[in-house]
Formats: sequence, C-alpha cells, structure tokens
Amino acid sequence: DGGITQSPKYLFRKEGQNVTLSCEQNLNHDAMYWYRQDPGQGLRLIYYSQIVNDFQKGDIAEGYSVSREKKESFPLTVTSAQKNPTAFYLCASSPIAGSSYNEQFFGPGTRLTVL
Amino acid sequence: AQSVAQPEDQVNVAEGNPLTVKCTYSVSGNPYLFWYVQYPNRGLQFLLKYITGDNLVKGSYGFEAEFNKSQTSFHLKKPSALVSDSALYFCAVRPRDQKVTFGTGTKLQVIP
Repeated sequence: DGGITQSPKYLFRKEGQNVTLSCEQNLNHDAMYWYRQDPGQGLRLIYYSQIVNDFQKGDIAEGYSVSREKKESFPLTVTSAQKNPTAFYLCASSPIAGSSYNEQFFGPGTRLTVL
Repeated sequence: AQSVAQPEDQVNVAEGNPLTVKCTYSVSGNPYLFWYVQYPNRGLQFLLKYITGDNLVKGSYGFEAEFNKSQTSFHLKKPSALVSDSALYFCAVRPRDQKVTFGTGTKLQVIP
C-alpha cells in the first residue's frame, strides 16, 4: 500500500521542548515538503527538499529544522525557538523534482499542541 | 509575488444542486493550477489540475474546473452536489519552476 505516513497523529509538547515529526513515503518521489496549517490561513511552506542531503527554507522556516538523509524520509523538528508551534502539520511529496505540473501527495497530518 | 484568492470562506448548497467554489489568482506567466480537498483531520487529496489545453478540466468524484485566463480564475464546479462532498477545498497555483501557493480554503457545506 503506497503512500505517505506521518507519526504521531497527535503530539503534545511542553514549552521549551524540541519535538520531531516523522514523515515517510514509499512512492519513490524525489521532492518532499512540510506545511503548517492554521485555521483561515491555508497552508504555509516550512521547508522542502528536492534531493537527498539537500533542502531549502520555505516561507516560515524560523524555529524549524529538517534533514533528508534518505529519499523516503523527511523528519521535521520543531524547536523551542518556534514561538507559536500549535498547529496541524502536513507532509507532502511529489515525483520528479523540478516538474512544476506534478500534484503533491499528502500525508494524514500531525496535530501538535503546546501545553 | 504570486497569490491565490478564495473569496468565500464557506459555501452552502442544497444536495442535488450545482456547486461552484471560486478561485482567482495573480501570477506572472502561465501557471499550473490545482484543486485539493481536505476532510476533517486529514491530509489534502488531489482533485484536478490545469496544465494547458482545454479550459475545462475534469477530475475526481465528478468535479470539474474551468480555467479563464482573461479573468485569472479557476473555479471548481460540480453539476449535482452530494452530502459527502462537504469538506474544505483548496485552490493552488504554481508558476513554472517556482513554489506552489495555496489559497486559504473554502468550506463547502452540502445540506441534505
């Protein structure tokens, strides 16, 4: 069963803690993305990667970090520097980096709540 | 800078009636245009896209969208709405070789 998995589904964090959100895909896609979704604001791009060991900042990268050591995996760390991390986080992938006409495939999301 | 506008936060339609969810965009050049649907607490699912050619694009679940270059619009339509169509709909625009920009979403409520 091909697709994108995200874990955990729900995550609670205390202020000052770093947390890592997992994203794995078995679609053999080159490009992977992290978005943040807040009510009424649509999706905002945090980071994206078009190839292993390379990634670029999106529109709201401050307070976040990523790695891309394997093609299948693109974990997102929410650091204590992120001032308002409570949100729904979505991971996505798309085939063939650089092909702008390809649609993105999304994971089920992780809802992060800061206590 | 590119932008996408979905002017209606919510659209209500009676079951069986046609539905339209509006999307307009501002971007230089000829972009690729997409529609996605999101059910509660789920990821987005791709519905359809416009790349080039015929202005009327058909997609999943009976949805279609009409590309209008002069009005820079890409409205989503369906001839007969179902209760199960109730969800959050996102329009997205992607200029060639640039990042994708999503609209803020429109909540569609189909009333039985």
